[in-house]
Amino acid sequence: KNEVEQSPQNLTAQEGEFITINCSYSVGISALHWLQQHPGGGIVSLFMLSSGKKKHGRLIATINIQEKHSSLHITASHPRDSAVYICASYGGNQFYFGTGTSLTVIP
Amino acid sequence: EAGVVQSPRYKIIEKKQPVAFWCNPISGHNTLYWYRQNLGQGPELLIRYENEEAVDDSQLPKDRFSAERLKGVDSTLKIQPAELGDSAVYLCASSFFVGNEQFFGPGTRLTVL
Repeated sequence: KNEVEQSPQNLTAQEGEFITINCSYSVGISALHWLQQHPGGGIVSLFMLSSGKKKHGRLIATINIQEKHSSLHITASHPRDSAVYICASYGGNQFYFGTGTSLTVIP
Repeated sequence: EAGVVQSPRYKIIEKKQPVAFWCNPISGHNTLYWYRQNLGQGPELLIRYENEEAVDDSQLPKDRFSAERLKGVDSTLKIQPAELGDSAVYLCASSFFVGNEQFFGPGTRLTVL
């Protein structure tokens, strides 16, 4: 079983701040997914990556395969970024989900 | 294009009653997942289908839970009888193939009284 751990569990930031959420996993994987879940809302896939870095708007995801670590960065954070961010590892036909990082961005 | 559709969105039942959830995945998606999500936790896989075949149901409590995906399209997840600990959000997701980007439905919030 792949243990997926996220940090921090909770994060409060001022609007405009640069935010980093970390994810580490215990065994080799084929891909790492970053998901976003708004309160009372469904889950949206943000990124799927297996190496390097991906960027979409103000969101950047990176992965270091050797260190078994991925980060999600949000530049110029905005209150609408407030949500739970979940990382999920995929390998051996199995998905393993972290417990999520709850982000609150204050105006 | 329509996303993953789930119904009902909310369900409140008394313990020992049966309940069923329905999911319509995105057209063309071969893989369908049912997850359970408890408050403050990440999703927990219950069952994964490749077309109409259940290829991973190791986490499905088979004494009370059952699922089907007839014709490899829509899927139904059933609990009978429901217990208090089954209160959670039940999420359906689909993807073209396993490991690809998953698209999630809005979920069904189940409350067992």
